[in-house]
Amino acid sequence: DIQMTQSPSSLSASVGDRVTITCRASQSISSYLNWYQQKPGKAPKLLIYAASSLQSGVPSRFSGSGSGTDFTLTISSLQPEDFATYYCQQSYSTLPFTFGPGTKVDIK
Amino acid sequence: QVQLQESGPGLVKPSETLSLTCTVSGGSISSYYWSWIRQPAGKGLEWIGRIYTSGSTNYNPSLKSRVTMSVDTSKNQFSLKLSSVTAADTAVYYCARDIPAMVKDYYYYGMDVWGQGTTVTVSS
Repeated sequence: DIQMTQSPSSLSASVGDRVTITCRASQSISSYLNWYQQKPGKAPKLLIYAASSLQSGVPSRFSGSGSGTDFTLTISSLQPEDFATYYCQQSYSTLPFTFGPGTKVDIK
Repeated sequence: QVQLQESGPGLVKPSETLSLTCTVSGGSISSYYWSWIRQPAGKGLEWIGRIYTSGSTNYNPSLKSRVTMSVDTSKNQFSLKLSSVTAADTAVYYCARDIPAMVKDYYYYGMDVWGQGTTVTVSS
């Protein structure tokens, strides 16, 4: 299996802050990396696919970068509705399509 | 707008088979991959597998011996069966559409539409 790790596991931030979350794969996955946002009691929501492509309808303050094994999700100016848990997921050819353990973003 | 709805028993006895169905509304089930993901309470997401409308499947190797997925295009539904369940299979189960997007001549898959999730508890 390809193992996915995320850092930090949690962070506290204020509205307006720039937030960066890192995801690392145990082997190269090219750009086969998705980012999801999940709020409590809700299903995950696709934010970014192919490492850096913004899903339709997602605010432009979200951006993704990286390739190979190291990836980043950035929220340029954190908004109240962005407090949630964020997961990366690899969709490379190797099964299973594993998720990272998640990063919880809460209010400072 | 495509919507997904999971249905099935909320309580399953140990050693029995968990059976869930996902109904697709607002669009056709054809020509897409359809996925199942689960999440134990307070924990992360686990990808269970996916099925194409042709019936082709990809399963999580750790669950492969117990998982069967099927699709019924006439009903716009797809299903998950997980056999020999234990308490470790207790989770919220989600269905989702896994859709391709072409970026620089390559196709990349992401799950863009999700059901609301259904809680399945394994207990006697």
